[in-house]
Amino acid sequence: DSGVTQTPKHLITATGQRVTLRCSPRSGDLSVYWYQQSLDQGLQFLIQYYNGEERAKGNILERFSAQQFPDLHSELNLSSLELGDSALYFCASSVAPGTGGNTEAFFGQGTRLTVV
Amino acid sequence: GESVGLHLPTLSVQEGDNSIINCAYSNSASDYFIWYKQESGKGPQFIIDIRSNMDKRQGQRVTVLLNKTVKHLSLQIAATQPGDSAVYFCAEIPYTSGTYKYIFGTGTRLKVLA
Repeated sequence: DSGVTQTPKHLITATGQRVTLRCSPRSGDLSVYWYQQSLDQGLQFLIQYYNGEERAKGNILERFSAQQFPDLHSELNLSSLELGDSALYFCASSVAPGTGGNTEAFFGQGTRLTVV
Repeated sequence: GESVGLHLPTLSVQEGDNSIINCAYSNSASDYFIWYKQESGKGPQFIIDIRSNMDKRQGQRVTVLLNKTVKHLSLQIAATQPGDSAVYFCAEIPYTSGTYKYIFGTGTRLKVLA
């Protein structure tokens, strides 16, 4: 168990709909990262938050948005869903930068989104 | 743009043999490199990391080698076991704008043959 919790584990929805994916980072981790993984593909970085603020953005579509709340949990919102949005969405968390500790990011088990 | 790539998308090895998974990276400013293992249906799990000021680091049955001259990273798995079958990702972690950024490669699928 990585300590990162993602809900729901599975989600099936229709095209055009909107969904919200939730991530609870490890206790004490301030950084949260979101990744998209299509079938048999690599991890595409979407967005990163640090202590409530957006820190880095990857190839995230305008239809997607995210936020990190004061309790450090994060939500990824996907709207106007298309068939091609079907993928595994992973959240990862890591310690604050510059702390001198390990830099590894701990991943949740992912949310499998199927758009039909 | 920045990218991390892998030479071999699929690697098949006999059980008991050693495996070598290669990775090329592009950002010479990366401070850390990490290898992750992803089993089917699970999230990536940390295997081993190496700082940019090191050439080699060993773990339990795994060794990571870093060649900064040619921007190459490799993961060696000794005495490969069936449980090693998974997709392996390398990641480079540059420290920019006050935070770490994790850049993943496309992954190599390791198949262990009995």
